[in-house]
Amino acid sequence: GQQVMQIPQYQHVQEGEDFTTYCNSSTTLSNIQWYKQRPGGHPVFLIQLVKSGEVKKQKRLTFQFGEAKKNSSLHITATQTTDVGTYFCAGPASGTYKYIFGTGTRLKVLA
Amino acid sequence: EADIYQTPRYLVIGTGKKITLECSQTMGHDKMYWYQQDPGMELHLIHYSYGVNSTEKGDLSSESTVSRIRTEHFPLTLESARPSHTSQYLCASRERGYEQYFGPGTRLTVT
Repeated sequence: GQQVMQIPQYQHVQEGEDFTTYCNSSTTLSNIQWYKQRPGGHPVFLIQLVKSGEVKKQKRLTFQFGEAKKNSSLHITATQTTDVGTYFCAGPASGTYKYIFGTGTRLKVLA
Repeated sequence: EADIYQTPRYLVIGTGKKITLECSQTMGHDKMYWYQQDPGMELHLIHYSYGVNSTEKGDLSSESTVSRIRTEHFPLTLESARPSHTSQYLCASRERGYEQYFGPGTRLTVT
């Protein structure tokens, strides 16, 4: 079945360092979404990418959608302690109303 | 801020009890979802609905059932709770083509 994997599973960085998480789908996606879940909280939507090769920025966060629309990345520049949490990508399962969530990358920022 | 509510927020219950987790949204969204998530881990889809009287099982085998009699209400029922059901249950809703809004979750402990 359709799978969405993320690497790394965990990442510990010093505050001020950059961070990147990668998302890879087994199938082509019509769009990809990114969510952030703070410890003890629920996932919160960050962004949706639709076009092949699309790049979007939100302050220190940069999101990319691959040319083949099978992979995506989230890059955080100069991490802060407020960036702590788990980042999930999610893509629609073809022919259904489901979204397949990636395995998630848990980010820990050391002050 | 999204208007999606879950009750109860925390529940401790004995093995064999029947429980219903409530989820309501006031946004008029057609699509609603139930996920099971252990702390810091993947989101597993257990049920979803694409409209009134239309429900489907998700990817994770579950001993729960759902109903969708009204657009705004999507309750999840466990007929006989077991310790293996101990987890966090997240409800979400979305409009076609847009992001999912998550409720705050119900943390269930079965003793």
